[in-house]
Amino acid sequence: NAGVTQTPKFRVLKTGQSMTLLCAQDMNHEYMYWYRQDPGMGLRLIHYSVGEGTTAKGEVPDGYNVSRLKKQNFLLGLESAAPSQTSVYFCASWGWGNQPQHFGDGTRLSIL
Amino acid sequence: KQEVTQIPAALSVPEGENLVLNCSFTDSAIYNLQWFRQDPGKGLTSLLLIQSSQREQTSGRLNASLDKSSGRSTLYIAASQPGDSATYLCAVRPTNYGGSQGNLIFGKGTKLSVKP
Repeated sequence: NAGVTQTPKFRVLKTGQSMTLLCAQDMNHEYMYWYRQDPGMGLRLIHYSVGEGTTAKGEVPDGYNVSRLKKQNFLLGLESAAPSQTSVYFCASWGWGNQPQHFGDGTRLSIL
Repeated sequence: KQEVTQIPAALSVPEGENLVLNCSFTDSAIYNLQWFRQDPGKGLTSLLLIQSSQREQTSGRLNASLDKSSGRSTLYIAASQPGDSATYLCAVRPTNYGGSQGNLIFGKGTKLSVKP
C-alpha cells in the first residue's frame, strides 16, 4: 500500500538548472497538491490540481510550473532554479469530503 | 485572511506526563480541522480530523477538541512516551480560500520532545 510516492528524495542543483519532481498516488484521488516547507514558515501551497488535466495556483506559485497529464501523477517543475527555492517539497493527495490529505515523504532540494 | 497559530513552538516534557498542544485560527468558517504528526525527515501523518459540527475526536491516547466559535482546538496526549516525540501540525480546511478544493492552511507546528 504505497499511498503517495515522491521522487527523487534528495537533489542538489546549481542556480539556473532545471528539474522536475514527480509525485505518484495509488488511491485514485482526484485532488493533488504541492507544498513547500521552510523553517519558520510552515507549509505553503504552491500549486494544486482538482483532476486530470487541471492545475491551479496556490499561495506561492512563482518560479514553478505543474502538470497533471495522468490522474495518478502530479509533476512540479523548476525551469530556472534559484537559491530561494531551496526547501523541502511535499506532495499530497485528497479524495473528498472529510477525508484527510495523504502526504509523501518529501523531496529535499538544495540550490547552490 | 485565515491564519493558524500554534503555541508553544516547542515543548519538552518527561515521560508519563499528560500534555496539551494548542491551535488557534482567525476565521470560524471551516469545514474541518486536522492534526498531523511529522517525524524528522518524513512526511505528515494524519492523526485526527474534526468536522466543523463535532466537538472532539479520540484515537487511543490522543484526544482533539474543537471550539469553532472561539477559533480554538487542543490536542491532548495522555501518558506521553518517547515515541511521541515529533512535530505536531494543526491545519484547517476553510470554507473559502480554496477550501472547497480541499486546500488546507497550516500552523507552524509544535515540536514535542518526550524525555525518558
